[in-house]
Amino acid sequence: NAGVTQTPKFRVLKTGQSMTLLCAQDMNHEYMYWYRQDPGMGLRLIHYSVGEGTTAKGEVPDGYNVSRLKKQNFLLGLESAAPSQTSVYFCASSPPPGGETQYFGPGTRLLVL
Amino acid sequence: GQNIDQPTEMTATEGAIVQINCTYQTSGFNGLFWYQQHAGEAPTFLSYNVLDGLEEKGRFSSFLSRSKGYSYLLLKELQMKDSASYLCAVRDSNYQLIWGAGTKLIIKP
Repeated sequence: NAGVTQTPKFRVLKTGQSMTLLCAQDMNHEYMYWYRQDPGMGLRLIHYSVGEGTTAKGEVPDGYNVSRLKKQNFLLGLESAAPSQTSVYFCASSPPPGGETQYFGPGTRLLVL
Repeated sequence: GQNIDQPTEMTATEGAIVQINCTYQTSGFNGLFWYQQHAGEAPTFLSYNVLDGLEEKGRFSSFLSRSKGYSYLLLKELQMKDSASYLCAVRDSNYQLIWGAGTKLIIKP
């Protein structure tokens, strides 16, 4: 039982390059989330999904796109990376909101030069 | 706007007790969470409060006062492994988590 996994763990991009971050969960959770974490700031929600085939914008969606083609996977895409997107990205999953917490993946460190 | 405030950094001694405060102003309230995050790792769940009062779980306790928009996390019998950041998060009326910036706790021998 792996929980939430993220690929890759670390990546360096040049400005303008594109990439996709993959999140996978094996807990059969309906909800999945992408956050970014920057020094001195709280986790900020980029996009989220309440089920297979659905996505919604969070607090800071600009410059990112997502897809949830399978229930267990949630992909985060950067079409044209910018230095401002240098951050640590966390994926999380949860059952529908109630008393349940969110379970986090180990994170992806992204550096955009 | 929505806001979660917690101290940036705290220092405590091994074996002692420390209280980390969190105040919040959010659009609606559907529960408050505390998470622990060691450097370079993912946040992990510690506690959940939705009603006023104290929730105790081993060495950790969490308190909530909804009328005051206030919570604290109490850590007893501190151990070196408790050195970490502690994140306060409130679930708002849209059932989204609003996160504080975290409190870095430094434990000294």
